[in-house]
Amino acid sequence: EAGVVQSPRYKIIEKKQPVAFWCNPISGHNTLYWYRQNLGQGPELLIRYENEEAVDDSQLPKDRFSAERLKGVDSTLKIQPAELGDSAVYLCASSSPGHAGEQFFGPGTRLTVL
Amino acid sequence: AQSVAQPEDQVNVAEGNPLTVKCTYSVSGNPYLFWYVQYPNRGLQFLLKYITGDNLVKGSYGFEAEFNKSQTSFHLKKPSALVSDSALYFCAVRGDSSYKLIFGSGTRLLVRP
Repeated sequence: EAGVVQSPRYKIIEKKQPVAFWCNPISGHNTLYWYRQNLGQGPELLIRYENEEAVDDSQLPKDRFSAERLKGVDSTLKIQPAELGDSAVYLCASSSPGHAGEQFFGPGTRLTVL
Repeated sequence: AQSVAQPEDQVNVAEGNPLTVKCTYSVSGNPYLFWYVQYPNRGLQFLLKYITGDNLVKGSYGFEAEFNKSQTSFHLKKPSALVSDSALYFCAVRGDSSYKLIFGSGTRLLVRP
């Protein structure tokens, strides 16, 4: 089966600019996650979707971050405006109930904010 | 609160020798435990998981992990390391009533020829 697809793989922007990341989960996976991975650290959950509903966005900095999952498939994560501290790898993952919580990760988008 | 500790930033081992990457956890309820591996510029790749049952779990690429409830540990092991095993390894945990996966800070495994 095809894996989780993310684009772009790399993005370099100047601070205060907007940026968007796109994710296409594994077909049939109802649950979609966005994580942020800072250098030298493990991933940290930003938001979790069940179909098109954001069921856990408690860790999403809502003043500048937003996400959507229209039609319960693809998802977009946006930052506006970006800050220097947003430089990180943004990972998307998906899972289905039958995998007992096993999440499948995409390759990530490495964001550099100058 | 849920937490994961990987006490070693790096583990060095010679090819052919056994390897162990340590992980301890804290979670409410029964733990669901996972190991993932990350190669450079790649996403996390699932290795193995413990949900219930036998304390020794076998996974991909010859890796296994032992769940020890009394020590709240889930150490990753492999009997004979390969140079190609060199990568970043993450332990993760969630409680049985939560979807939120908590990751450790990662351990870099370096296998020398």
